Amino acid sequence: EAGVAQSPRYKIIEKRQSVAFWCNPISGHATLYWYQQILGQGPKLLIQFQNNGVVDDSQLPKDRFSAERLKGVDSTLKIQPAKLEDSAVYLCASSLGLADLTGELFFGEGSRLTVL
Amino acid sequence: AQSVTQPDIHITVSEGASLELRCNYSYGATPYLFWYVQSPGQGLQLLLKYFSGDTLVQGIKGFEAEFKRSQSSFNLRKPSVHWSDAAEYFCAVGAPREYGNKLVFGAGTILRVKS
Repeated sequence: EAGVAQSPRYKIIEKRQSVAFWCNPISGHATLYWYQQILGQGPKLLIQFQNNGVVDDSQLPKDRFSAERLKGVDSTLKIQPAKLEDSAVYLCASSLGLADLTGELFFGEGSRLTVL
Repeated sequence: AQSVTQPDIHITVSEGASLELRCNYSYGATPYLFWYVQSPGQGLQLLLKYFSGDTLVQGIKGFEAEFKRSQSSFNLRKPSVHWSDAAEYFCAVGAPREYGNKLVFGAGTILRVKS
């Protein structure tokens, strides 16, 4: 079974530039998450989708971050304009769905962003 | 709201020695508890999880964890550490019904193994 796919693995940009990250979840997984992991910290949830609808985006800085999952499968996370403090690893995860009682999330390898 | 505390930022153990990583959580009801491991440049891999039943759970790679409700703890243990266990370990708490299947992570503990 293929895991969660993310790209690009690494990205270096100047501040005020824009960047986009892509995620393809495990086939059949209805719920998709984007987490931000700043160096030295645990992952923090940015946004959660159930199919193509947003379940929780309360921690997403909406003035600069946006995310979509138009067809309920893959997802894109965009940052525009980027700030120095956005340097982090962006982890995508998926799970079977809100009714899944195991609660287990499956993670991709992450996209590491460096903002100069 | 849920929260997780991992009191130790770094831990160094000798290869072959036993290991215990601490995790304390805050949640009003019985939580779902997880331990994930992250090797450098990699994503998070699930080691083990607890939902209900036996409070001592076994995971992959020889790890186990014990849920202690009275102490709000879910400590990770391994009887004999191998050099390949060097990584960062994250404890996480979730409550699928109440919180929409989200996980809240601790800040992590970096494990160093010396030969």
